[in-house]
Amino acid sequence: AQSVTQLGSHVSVSEGALVLLRCNYSSSVPPYLFWYVQYPNQGLQLLLKYTSAATLVKGINGFEAEFKKSETSFHLTKPSAHMSDAAEYFCAVSDPSWGKLQFGAGTQVVVTP
Amino acid sequence: DTEVTQTPKHLVMGMTNKKSLKCEQHMGHRAMYWYKQKAKKPPELMFVYSYEKLSINESVPSRFSPECPNSSLLNLHLHALQPEDSALYLCASSQDLGGSTGELFFGEGSRLTVL
Repeated sequence: AQSVTQLGSHVSVSEGALVLLRCNYSSSVPPYLFWYVQYPNQGLQLLLKYTSAATLVKGINGFEAEFKKSETSFHLTKPSAHMSDAAEYFCAVSDPSWGKLQFGAGTQVVVTP
Repeated sequence: DTEVTQTPKHLVMGMTNKKSLKCEQHMGHRAMYWYKQKAKKPPELMFVYSYEKLSINESVPSRFSPECPNSSLLNLHLHALQPEDSALYLCASSQDLGGSTGELFFGEGSRLTVL
């Protein structure tokens, strides 16, 4: 069975500050890992994904994440927050042989001026 | 722009009504999904179709009835729903079940309100 845990349901950051969203996973096989973003009243958009290639993954909108097997983590970062980054962020894990996504509980990001 | 199109964007229905949600993708994907999302919660998987056959039913009540007429279309038929079924219903597609990337492409959702 696979699962993800997102630490912190709400994160508040100042515009221009570092954004750090934490995700830890549990998987019995090498996983695929994803970060999705959801803006209000919209669907989910893929930010980035890890599929066993490079451990540092760059995504859209200046986000990146690092896969650390020893820590079972896949934390999401962005060096400088923008007001448009305010959204809900979901970490997700899937079994490559099956493809069923398991989502974390989500982290709401608020960006203050 | 999303490549998974869902209609309608908003739907209000009574508990005795019959309605349908529709989803369409033209990316040649062979797996399609229905998710239900309540406010401030992650999406919950309802159904998965692979090559137009139902592969997963996550113990969803029979008042929800999925249909996959062809590889590009996915419907969700609704009948005798309850107010607690009010939610955002998300459709998604992927190249295949599992496969090389496991990435899902989501539509913008259909916001359902049951009165």
